[in-house]
Amino acid sequence: GAGVSQSPRYKVAKRGQDVALRCDPISGHVSLFWYQQALGQGPEFLTYFQNEAQLDKSGLPSDRFFAERPEGSVSTLKIQRTQQEDSAVYLCASSLDRAWDQPQHFGDGTRLSIL
Amino acid sequence: QKEVEQDPGPLSVPEGAIVSLNCTYSNSAFQYFMWYRQYSRKGPELLMYTYSSGNKEDGRFTAQVDKSSKYISLFIRDSQPSDSATYLCATTRGAQKLVFGQGTRLTINP
Repeated sequence: GAGVSQSPRYKVAKRGQDVALRCDPISGHVSLFWYQQALGQGPEFLTYFQNEAQLDKSGLPSDRFFAERPEGSVSTLKIQRTQQEDSAVYLCASSLDRAWDQPQHFGDGTRLSIL
Repeated sequence: QKEVEQDPGPLSVPEGAIVSLNCTYSNSAFQYFMWYRQYSRKGPELLMYTYSSGNKEDGRFTAQVDKSSKYISLFIRDSQPSDSATYLCATTRGAQKLVFGQGTRLTINP
């Protein structure tokens, strides 16, 4: 499809395990964003890439969270030593470039549950 | 205090009613404003975006921004059951991270 694709759609892990979440942005989109959405809340910013450069990681809640986009297309969000408070929906968005009038297009997210 | 405040609802109205959804924000550095619609277990979908104060209309949807009072609104005319979703306001200082409100859960009853 032409939209942002995220996998897996659902992930269940035991506390302490590492997880990796994948995002395939829309082809040609330069900017890529990760957000975390807790139940009943709006998405909260985690990190931002322009091509392969991570320009803003101010929203990552701890050093257990790590994101990469090595070739400027697919991105992976990794969470090490997961905790129960990491349970949330992780949303990826991409946009054509940095201009404000280029909207961010969201994927359907990965729903992460930590037991 | 959150940078963007939005009443979470839930809000339930009959089909055909006019719906008014509102947000306030605290930082005058926010310059760009969006409304997203999110269906259950789906990602947010952009409905409207605007920069300036005033109204912007797109079909049954009207977005309104009042920068002097830091207040943004979304109006839905002739509401339909298919409009039932969570509506998220969002803002940004520039072209990077979005700051979202909590979202308002809306149900349109046939």
